[in-house]
Amino acid sequence: AQSVAQPEDQVNVAEGNPLTVKCTYSVSGNPYLFWYVQYPNRGLQFLLKYITGDNLVKGSYGFEAEFNKSQTSFHLKKPSALVSDSALYFCAVRDMATGGFKTIFGAGTRLFVKA
Amino acid sequence: DGGITQSPKYLFRKEGQNVTLSCEQNLNHDAMYWYRQDPGQGLRLIYYSQIVNDFQKGDIAEGYSVSREKKESFPLTVTSAQKNPTAFYLCASSPGLAASLYEQYFGPGTRLTVT
Repeated sequence: AQSVAQPEDQVNVAEGNPLTVKCTYSVSGNPYLFWYVQYPNRGLQFLLKYITGDNLVKGSYGFEAEFNKSQTSFHLKKPSALVSDSALYFCAVRDMATGGFKTIFGAGTRLFVKA
Repeated sequence: DGGITQSPKYLFRKEGQNVTLSCEQNLNHDAMYWYRQDPGQGLRLIYYSQIVNDFQKGDIAEGYSVSREKKESFPLTVTSAQKNPTAFYLCASSPGLAASLYEQYFGPGTRLTVT
């Protein structure tokens, strides 16, 4: 079965410091991986995705993610955190067993950036 | 403005009543989805539709029903059979062709409270 795990419920970081939000996956075949962000009482917003190609993917708002096939990881990173980055972050993978229509979401990691 | 609209933002109902949540998109997407979000549990798929007049059950379809009579609309009915209907409901869409390659676009959500 395909799955995605976010091992940290919460990540705390000081403003200006680098941040990492972790994600690991388990899929059969090639993974199609995504990161989304959710602000309070709002829908999810797409940040970035890995389909194929370069292992370092750049996305919105200065975020990037590194795809590591050997470690089956897709960690989200940002060189310098902002207070406004505080939100709930979801890692996701397309479920290829359903032709890619379904998406499997991680449980989410809450990021707190302290001024 | 292209996007997904959900209405209403907040909805209150008495136990035993059916309630219908609206979801409309003008992105010309074939695929549409309904998710339920509870605190600490991430997103769980209720129903999805790959194309007009077709839909499939997701992971937690019991107590819910949907219809897809038009490409742009995918209403969700929460029936009295749903034991714990109080939750935040999110609608999403994505292109249908090669769905696995594309991110999902989310609406702003409807918070349903049943007392």
